[in-house]
Amino acid sequence: DQQVKQNSPSLSVQEGRISILNCDYTNSMFDYFLWYKKYPAEGPTFLISISSIKDKNEDGRFTVFLNKSAKHLSLHIVPSQPGDSAVYFCAASEGVNAGGTSYGKLTFGQGTILTVHP
Amino acid sequence: EPEVTQTPSHQVTQMGQEVILRCVPISNHLYFYWYRQILGQKVEFLVSFYNNEISEKSEIFDDQFSVERPDGSNFTLKIRSTKLEDSAMYFCASSEAMMATTDTQYFGPGTRLTVL
Repeated sequence: DQQVKQNSPSLSVQEGRISILNCDYTNSMFDYFLWYKKYPAEGPTFLISISSIKDKNEDGRFTVFLNKSAKHLSLHIVPSQPGDSAVYFCAASEGVNAGGTSYGKLTFGQGTILTVHP
Repeated sequence: EPEVTQTPSHQVTQMGQEVILRCVPISNHLYFYWYRQILGQKVEFLVSFYNNEISEKSEIFDDQFSVERPDGSNFTLKIRSTKLEDSAMYFCASSEAMMATTDTQYFGPGTRLTVL
């Protein structure tokens, strides 16, 4: 199942600089996208989301951009901090469709390991 | 801040044994999910549950799996006869509403299941 892909397994960034994590998807039925952060031996922690009717959503240091025509989203973290070091997952959902065949299940990417160096 | 809790944190079992993984979703949430992550692989959807019935399930969720909400707070995943390949982290999640354009699933810390 390659409907959601994060092509960069890892990213290394200096503290204070921008981190850009990328995600591509193939399913045009996806209309809601989320980013989760995960530490080892913990569950995914919700960071930020975006609906398909928007192209940008911002929350503090985190901004998600959605390019529907390219089926691409990205997460920007500015400025990056050492505490941001974790695995970042993008996830997508078709929502609840009129045919009643989708009930909000999330499809995840493989994750990108972000390391922020002091 | 309300959170999803899961017990146990780690379960070790022998192949062929039954296991029950437990979850307490966030109290005002109505939609419940189980996902799993096999080591080194993606987080995979297993099943969604609403109004005391399964809404959607994946191909992974075969007859060996079942879910139940036995009371007003717990949500369980049962694996009847465990296989080696069931070894994974199992995550429970809940959401307030299933309008995905406005809603978010919140995850528990996970149960690590090891089948020997």
